[in-house]
Amino acid sequence: TQLLEQSPQFLSIQEGENLTVYCNSSSVFSSLQWYRQEPGEGPVLLVTVVTGGEVKKLKRLTFQFGDARKDSSLHITAAQPGDTGLYLCAGAWVQGAQKLVFGQGTRLTINP
Amino acid sequence: DADVTQTPRNRITKTGKRIMLECSQTKGHDRMYWYRQDPGLGLRLIYYSFDVKDINKGEISDGYSVSRQAQAKFSLSLESAIPNQTALYFCATSAPGMNTEAFFGQGTRLTVV
Repeated sequence: TQLLEQSPQFLSIQEGENLTVYCNSSSVFSSLQWYRQEPGEGPVLLVTVVTGGEVKKLKRLTFQFGDARKDSSLHITAAQPGDTGLYLCAGAWVQGAQKLVFGQGTRLTINP
Repeated sequence: DADVTQTPRNRITKTGKRIMLECSQTKGHDRMYWYRQDPGLGLRLIYYSFDVKDINKGEISDGYSVSRQAQAKFSLSLESAIPNQTALYFCATSAPGMNTEAFFGQGTRLTVV
């Protein structure tokens, strides 16, 4: 069982549509991070959210940290083919000496 | 040059062989991690080290060992490789603190036949 559960694991939509990816846990995290990974490369950080209820925006991407700091969401508005990739959430686990644990990832495909 | 360098990038080895994956970093970070990536399972933590004298097991440490030779170097060993250890392995570093970014190497694709 993964500490962080991401959903959906696969998502294929048309260009221009909106989408939301979820990252859920029963554990509390001091922070939640979202990474994006391209084929043949390691993950690269998109954003870190720290405060319960915090919302951060990165162009068309909106990230939210749950009030209880147990979950997060990534919302993409008007998706573009360049958004295609593997999106990973990661959390600094409070009960785990702040080690960084990852969700399973969401493989997103945006079709032209 | 990359801040986090993994060697080798690709390796095919036989069942039962010992293999070492190496990671070096120029970020100056104290914290280093080894993760394994399998399809549909994201990144799973194998071992992590918060400084040179600190080594900790992660979620899936069985069958693996590590060595922190210096602040900049963290090696992962498979003492007797088995086929279900076929995966993509990533090394990462981060600065101390709860909310710092993890920087990843480009990965090592290991196949055990």
